[in-house]
Amino acid sequence: GIQVEQSPPDLILQEGANSTLRCNFSDSVNNLQWFHQNPWGQLINLFYIPSGTKQNGRLSATTVATERYSLLYISSSQTTDSGVYFCAVELMNTGFQKLVFGTGTRLLVSP
Amino acid sequence: DAGVTQSPTHLIKTRGQQVTLRCSPKSGHDTVSWYQQALGQGPQFIFQYYEEEERQRGNFPDRFSGHQFPNYSSELNVNALLLGDSALYLCASSSLAGVPDTQYFGPGTRLTVL
Repeated sequence: GIQVEQSPPDLILQEGANSTLRCNFSDSVNNLQWFHQNPWGQLINLFYIPSGTKQNGRLSATTVATERYSLLYISSSQTTDSGVYFCAVELMNTGFQKLVFGTGTRLLVSP
Repeated sequence: DAGVTQSPTHLIKTRGQQVTLRCSPKSGHDTVSWYQQALGQGPQFIFQYYEEEERQRGNFPDRFSGHQFPNYSSELNVNALLLGDSALYLCASSSLAGVPDTQYFGPGTRLTVL
C-alpha cells in the first residue's frame, strides 16, 4: 500500500518562529489534505491541496504532485498552533475517498 | 450549517461487550467514513458507507460493522470488545460524486475498554 511519511516527528518552537513540515508519499494521489489535531482530538481541516500552493493567514501549503511531496509552512507561530499535524492522501483512480494518514508531526509552541 | 456530529463523546465498556457509535454527516454530504485512531498514531480507515451500502473496507475484522440510514447518518458497531479496541473513533463525511473532495471530520468518540 501507499506509504505516507512526515518529518520531523517532533518540533519545539518559540512563539513567533517559523517552521516547515514535510509530507512524502510513495504513489500518485487524487487528494491531499493537511489537518491539525487539537488536544481534544478534533481534526481541523487546514488545506485541500492535491497540487499547487494555497495560503490561509499564517499558514500556507505547497504540493508538488510529480515529486510526491507536500510542505506546510507555519509563520509567526502561536501557542495555539500546538498539536499534531497530519497529512492524508487518497490514492488516484480508486473511486473511493479513503484517506491514508501520515505518521504526524507533533508541534509544541512555547511562549 | 452544522458540521459533522458524533455521539457519545466518551464511552467506557468492558471486554466482551458490544458498542454502537453514531455519526451525522455535514449538511449536503451523502458519504460517511469511519476511522480508528489509537493513542499516538494516525487515524486508520475502517470502512465507508454510501447509499446505505458499505463501499470499501480497511483491514478490520468482522467484529466491526456499520450501517447507513436514509438520512445519511451512520452507526459503527463493534462486537466482542477487546482491550485493543480502545481508541478515538472518528467519522468523516464527504460528497461521493466520483471526484476527489475535502473530507470533514467530527469531534470523535473516545472508547475505553476495561
